[in-house]
Amino acid sequence: NAGVTQTPKFQVLKTGQSMTLQCAQDMNHEYMSWYRQDPGMGLRLIHYSVGAGITDQGEVPNGYNVSRSTTEDFPLRLLSAAPSQTSVYFCASSYTRKAPHATDTQYFGPGTRLTVL
Amino acid sequence: DQQVKQNSPSLSVQEGRISILNCDYTNSMFDYFLWYKKYPAEGPTFLISISSIKDKNEDGRFTVFLNKSAKHLSLHIVPSQPGDSAVYFCAASEGGGSEKLVFGKGTKLTVNP
Repeated sequence: NAGVTQTPKFQVLKTGQSMTLQCAQDMNHEYMSWYRQDPGMGLRLIHYSVGAGITDQGEVPNGYNVSRSTTEDFPLRLLSAAPSQTSVYFCASSYTRKAPHATDTQYFGPGTRLTVL
Repeated sequence: DQQVKQNSPSLSVQEGRISILNCDYTNSMFDYFLWYKKYPAEGPTFLISISSIKDKNEDGRFTVFLNKSAKHLSLHIVPSQPGDSAVYFCAASEGGGSEKLVFGKGTKLTVNP
C-alpha cells in the first residue's frame, strides 16, 4: 500500500506557465482533496471530490482546476501560475462519511513544494 | 475570519512533562475535531480525534478534551518525548466526518531532552 502519492516533490515555474500536480491513492477512497499551506498559515482547502466525476470548490479555488476521471487520481492544474501560488500543496484522501467502513481521518501525501518566479 | 484558532505559535516543554496544546473555534456547526502532527518536509499525519458528543478521548499518551460551551479543545501529551517535537494542527469539520477540514495555523512543539 503506497497510500497517497504526489509528484513532483519540487517544482519551479515562471509566471504565466501552466502545470499539473499529480495525486494518486491506492486505498479505494471516494473522497480526495487538495490543500495549500503557506508560511504561518494552516492548510486551506482548494478543491475536493466525493467520487469520480464529482468535484467542488473549497475555500481558495481561484487559479486552480481539478478533474476526477478515476477513483485513484485527482490532479490539480494551475492554468497560469502567479507568484501568489507559491506554496506547499498537499493532497489527501479518505472514505466519505457515509461509507459503512468510514474511518475518522484523511490521509495526506508528502506534498509538492511549488515556487512561482 | 479564522474559524479555527491556535493562538500559541510555539510551545517548549521538558521531556517527561505534560504538553498542552490549545485550540479555539468559532463555528458552532463544527461537530468533529482532529489533531494532526507534521514533521518538516512531510505531510500531516493523524493523531487523535473527538466527536462533539464526547468531551474526552484518549489514545495512549495523547488525550483530547472538548469544551463545547467554550468552543475550546486541547491536546494533552503525557509524558512528552523528544520525538513529539513537531507542528501540531487542530482541524474541524461539519457533518461528523473528516471531509472539508478547516485547519488552525499550528503550534510548533519542542520537547527538550
